[in-house]
Amino acid sequence: QQQVKQSPQSLIVQKGGISIINCAYENTAFDYFPWYQQFPGKGPALLIAIRPDVSEKKEGRFTISFNKSAKQFSLHIMDSQPGDSATYFCAASGGSQGNLIFGKGTKLSVKP
Amino acid sequence: DAGITQSPRHKVTETGTPVTLRCHQTENHRYMYWYRQDPGHGLRLIHYSYGVKDTDKGEVSDGYSVSRSKTEDFLLTLESATSSQTSVYFCAISVDANVLTFGAGSRLTVL
Repeated sequence: QQQVKQSPQSLIVQKGGISIINCAYENTAFDYFPWYQQFPGKGPALLIAIRPDVSEKKEGRFTISFNKSAKQFSLHIMDSQPGDSATYFCAASGGSQGNLIFGKGTKLSVKP
Repeated sequence: DAGITQSPRHKVTETGTPVTLRCHQTENHRYMYWYRQDPGHGLRLIHYSYGVKDTDKGEVSDGYSVSRSKTEDFLLTLESATSSQTSVYFCAISVDANVLTFGAGSRLTVL
């Protein structure tokens, strides 16, 4: 019940396309859902986050869509660029689980 | 990775030897974390601290110990390193346990 399941494991998208990464969770007490971006040789960095009181949050080309009833949330990257090539991690926390639980990551490659 | 420094950044050691990784922060954040990152497993929490001398176990704590004697320093010790502990180790800090700032990582190879 503490897991966060992330898919796909890897994703190849053409420049200008839309990248979509999905995550699902079981624990209904989770109330904070961030996405982290990690470039090779670097530590992960917070990209965008959402709380369940809204269904969507947008920051530039990055959007989180949140479906509370389905217990799913997703990251959409519009107009994907080669510079977006990185590994993306979803995470969740809340309730008795004070620490973030991370998904296993998605390696995104954006081809020119 | 302003405000958080990990050392050493790379280390090769032999099975059975002790290893200590250091995380140093200049942000005065209350929370500090040690994660390991392995292919196919993502980021897994080893230990965390919610204050000086206040630490707790994470998901994969076996074989690891930690200490935090000062707000700015969080040490991760492998008492007797094993090959299964070959990994990239990340320290993270947080003011609220939600937004984490990660260090650049320490790559450990145990031969």
